[in-house]
Amino acid sequence: DIQMTQSPSSVSASVGDRVTMTCRASQAISSYLAWYQQKPGKAPKLLIYVASRLQSGVPARFSGSGSGTDFTLTISSLQPEDFATYYCQQASSFPLTFGGGTKVEIK
Amino acid sequence: EVQLLESGGGLVQPGGSLRLSCAASGFTLRSYAMSWVRQAPGKGPEWVSAISGSGDSTYYADSVKGRFTFSRDNSKNTVYLQMNSLRAEDTAVYYCAKGAVSGYDLDAFDMWGQGTMVTVSS
Repeated sequence: DIQMTQSPSSVSASVGDRVTMTCRASQAISSYLAWYQQKPGKAPKLLIYVASRLQSGVPARFSGSGSGTDFTLTISSLQPEDFATYYCQQASSFPLTFGGGTKVEIK
Repeated sequence: EVQLLESGGGLVQPGGSLRLSCAASGFTLRSYAMSWVRQAPGKGPEWVSAISGSGDSTYYADSVKGRFTFSRDNSKNTVYLQMNSLRAEDTAVYYCAKGAVSGYDLDAFDMWGQGTMVTVSS
């Protein structure tokens, strides 16, 4: 199975900050990586797929990069509605696996 | 509007069974792979099972293999997860999720249901 490791597990930031988080796969997954945002009590929401493609309707302040084993999600200017937990997910092989999450908290 | 609506969750004793349903609307169900993803309280998402658009191929996490069965009825725009021999560790919110790209079994999920809670406890 491919293990997905996210870091940091949490980050404290202020509105307007640039926030970067990483996801590392235990083996190469090409660009088959997705990012999700999840708020308490809600289902995850797809932000980015195939590592860098912005899902329709997602604000352009979200961007993704990387390939192989190392990936990054960046929020260019944090907005109040962005405080949430973010998960990566590999879609390279079954079983599909998620990272442990990065919680973005208010500083 | 694209929508997924799960039902069938509830409280069940260890060793019991439940059948979850997920009704799809707003898209052609047979064109997309579907998955079940669960999330235990306070934990991250865990993929459980996937089924191809045609229903010919199914995939399972090791933790549920042999106990859960994923099926679909494209004529009813509904997918199902039959869960047998339930264990306490199966307790979670279960989401059905739609594959983002038509025709791909391995995929991200661009639409999720609201989730249905399954509690396994005596």
